[in-house]
Amino acid sequence: GAVVSQHPSWVICKSGTSVKIECRSLDFQATTMFWYRQFPKQSLMLMATSNEGSKATYEQGVEKDKFLINHASLTLSTLTVTSAHPEDSSFYICSASRRNYGYTFGSGTRLTVV
Amino acid sequence: AQTVTQSQPEMSVQEAETVTLSCTYDTSESDYYLFWYKQPPSRQMILVIRQEAYKQQNATENRFSVNFQKAAKSFSLKISDSQLGDAAMYFCAYRELTQGGSEKLVFGKGMKLTVNP
Repeated sequence: GAVVSQHPSWVICKSGTSVKIECRSLDFQATTMFWYRQFPKQSLMLMATSNEGSKATYEQGVEKDKFLINHASLTLSTLTVTSAHPEDSSFYICSASRRNYGYTFGSGTRLTVV
Repeated sequence: AQTVTQSQPEMSVQEAETVTLSCTYDTSESDYYLFWYKQPPSRQMILVIRQEAYKQQNATENRFSVNFQKAAKSFSLKISDSQLGDAAMYFCAYRELTQGGSEKLVFGKGMKLTVNP
């Protein structure tokens, strides 16, 4: 079956530093990758959509310069939270889609900014 | 933009009994996909079942089945013979096609299911 690996599963960083989260589709080539943010006891909020080799499409209200997305290959997308602040602390989830196969989610990354 | 509504924030069910989770959506499209995802305490999103709108037959996966009412824009999930492992957040989702030709999932707010032994 389709597997998406997301690393790290949790990270603690100091305020002002940057953090990179990786999302890899292990056994398929993803046509599109998605990044979500989830607050406690809430639903998934789509942050951005990325296709391999092209710029990410950000949802309204998401700061492009703060949440940098790179989709270098059909199997790898990265989310970099730049100059992180405590309000960026959250649970981040990636998802990869393959045409006609639906969506597979990573296991998520818990980011804590101190 | 399409919207997905899950009106019940929480439900509980006794082990071995049946429970139905409701979901309604709003769309002007005629062909689309609907999904139910489960998110246990591990927070891993797990696909429970999906339904293609052009298929009249309701999707079924073992103990999970849907009641898809296209005209009413309703997509409820029935869990039969509930098990303790079914306890989780359940999200209903609609696949939206954007103007640029790409796609995205629109999620409902979710519903917390508790299974009582």
